[in-house]
Amino acid sequence: EIVLTQSPATLSLSPGERATVSCRASQSVSSFLGWYQHKPGQAPRLLIYDASNRASGIPARFSGSGSGTDFTLTISSLEPEDFAIYYCQQRSDWAWTFGQGTKVEFK
Amino acid sequence: QLQLQESGPGLVKPSETLSLNCIVSGGSVGSSRYYWGWVRQPPGKGLEWVGAMFSTGSTYYNPSLESRITISVDTSKNQFSLRLSSVTAADTAVYFCARSGYDSRYNYYYYFMDVWGNGTTVTVSS
Repeated sequence: EIVLTQSPATLSLSPGERATVSCRASQSVSSFLGWYQHKPGQAPRLLIYDASNRASGIPARFSGSGSGTDFTLTISSLEPEDFAIYYCQQRSDWAWTFGQGTKVEFK
Repeated sequence: QLQLQESGPGLVKPSETLSLNCIVSGGSVGSSRYYWGWVRQPPGKGLEWVGAMFSTGSTYYNPSLESRITISVDTSKNQFSLRLSSVTAADTAVYFCARSGYDSRYNYYYYFMDVWGNGTTVTVSS
């Protein structure tokens, strides 16, 4: 099973600041990595697929990068609605896994 | 607009079988090149991938659940289902159903979950 480790666990920031979330895989997942945003009581929302492609309707302030074992989700300028938990997920092998999540909270 | 809605009992007794349905509207569960899957979130924890079924009939399950899980599609009812046997308190979670996505800009079907149900809470308790 491929283990995804996200860092940091919590990110305390203010609106307008830049958020950077990292996801490291225990072995290469090529570019088969996605990012989701999840708010309490809601369904998760796909932001990025295949490491760097924004899903339909996702604002341009969200971007993804990386390949192999190291990936990054960047939110260029935080909007109030962006405070949430972010998860990476790999689909490289047929036992898909999520990272443990990174909470982006108000500073 | 595709919509998914989970349905099933909110309370299941230990050792019994958890059965959930995901009702599909605004689209067909028989659509090719998509997969239909399940994700769960135990209380206070993160997301956990449960399993997925492709339109070809191929299924892929979380190895930790593989001996207890079945995902199936019922095209006559336009829904797909999750069955998890021999449940314990560790199976208590919010269960989400989801479908993979399609990017019309590139005519590309991608294998990440793009359309989700709202989730249903299942508690395992006697």
